[in-house]
Amino acid sequence: SQTIHQWPATLVQPVGSPLSLECTVEGTSNPNLYWYRQAAGRGLQLLFYSVGIGQISSEVPQNLSASRPQDRQFILSSKKLLLSDSGFYLCAWSGGMQPQHFGDGTRLSIL
Amino acid sequence: GENVEQHPSTLSVQEGDSAVIKCTYSDSASNYFPWYKQELGKGPQLIIDIRSNVGEKKDQRIAVTLNKTAKHFSLHITETQPEDSAVYFCAASTDSTLTFGKGTMLLVSP
Repeated sequence: SQTIHQWPATLVQPVGSPLSLECTVEGTSNPNLYWYRQAAGRGLQLLFYSVGIGQISSEVPQNLSASRPQDRQFILSSKKLLLSDSGFYLCAWSGGMQPQHFGDGTRLSIL
Repeated sequence: GENVEQHPSTLSVQEGDSAVIKCTYSDSASNYFPWYKQELGKGPQLIIDIRSNVGEKKDQRIAVTLNKTAKHFSLHITETQPEDSAVYFCAASTDSTLTFGKGTMLLVSP
């Protein structure tokens, strides 16, 4: 069966520091991969999605970037974190169009 | 782009009652409508989904209805239990991306 892993589960970073969040999927090939941010108030905002290695679509211009160095690995990065980058970051995968399956997220706090 | 509205934002029911959450969407080309349940500190979990060629789908105590003409769909939970308490999200899709509603916090009191 397919599983999705995100780490770390919790992260506290100072303003201006770099960020790297990693997501990996097991048990499937060539998945679509997604990064979402969920701010307080519960809504999910799509940040990036990828349909293949090296193919990244950005939905919202911001301080973050994404990369897909391997088929089942998706990385969310920032060179310099802002206070506004705080939130709950979720990775998801789908085998084709739908449905999407989510990981358990990373709680990011910026101090 | 797609816009999804979800109501109510909060819903409190007694154990055993039914709960209904409603969503509307704007893009008539949307053809896939999933519902997710999110418990505190966890990622959303898919609980049921429906495609535009079907008007209703049921899975035990959970059912979803879709009205394509009116562009709205609903989640129905019968015989609610305290473990149903969570935040529920609806979403709509025309391709490989989803547009989510803002969520409904369901509280089931024993």
